[in-house]
Amino acid sequence: DGGITQSPKYLFRKEGQNVTLSCEQNLNHDAMYWYRQDPGQGLRLIYYSQIVNDFQKGDIAEGYSVSREKKESFPLTVTSAQKNPTAFYLCASSLPAGPFNEQFFGPGTRLTVL
Amino acid sequence: KNEVEQSPQNLTAQEGEFITINCSYSVGISALHWLQQHPGGGIVSLFMLSSGKKKHGRLIATINIQEKHSSLHITASHPRDSAVYICAVPWETSGSRLTFGEGTQLTVNP
Repeated sequence: DGGITQSPKYLFRKEGQNVTLSCEQNLNHDAMYWYRQDPGQGLRLIYYSQIVNDFQKGDIAEGYSVSREKKESFPLTVTSAQKNPTAFYLCASSLPAGPFNEQFFGPGTRLTVL
Repeated sequence: KNEVEQSPQNLTAQEGEFITINCSYSVGISALHWLQQHPGGGIVSLFMLSSGKKKHGRLIATINIQEKHSSLHITASHPRDSAVYICAVPWETSGSRLTFGEGTQLTVNP
């Protein structure tokens, strides 16, 4: 079955530690995205990548880093510089950039920083 | 002011009722996505529409490009329809980036 997987579903970390969230897709999509969701707010774009070895900052990139070494993988690192990292993180992918391309979402990772 | 606004923010209905969720946007190009987020957090795409109306089962989505407004309707609502419904609009400059509304929390009681 084609789809997007994110792991783990729940993640707990101590303040000051970096943590990496996994996102893998087998849909052969070129574009991948990371979003953050906070209660009462719409999804906000952290980073996106349209092709391998290339990525762009979204609206809230500070304190985050990404890599895109393989087409199917787009891991997100939440660094200690992110002031308020506790949130729900969603990864998505789509066909090449275009306004009419549906985005497919993973199940999400809920990160709690203690 | 949000670039994508949804109303209402919360909606409670009885099973069988006709539901309408609205979305207005001030940016973006001539297309709009409707998404559904279930309590577990997973999001699925319901519709992408650029004109007129689309129907899938009991769900109907309409869009008025000139007025920059879209509605999502649910006929014969059922408790399993309880979810957050989100509209999203592609940016003008890059179609792959979306601006999301805050979502409408729908609860359908039996």
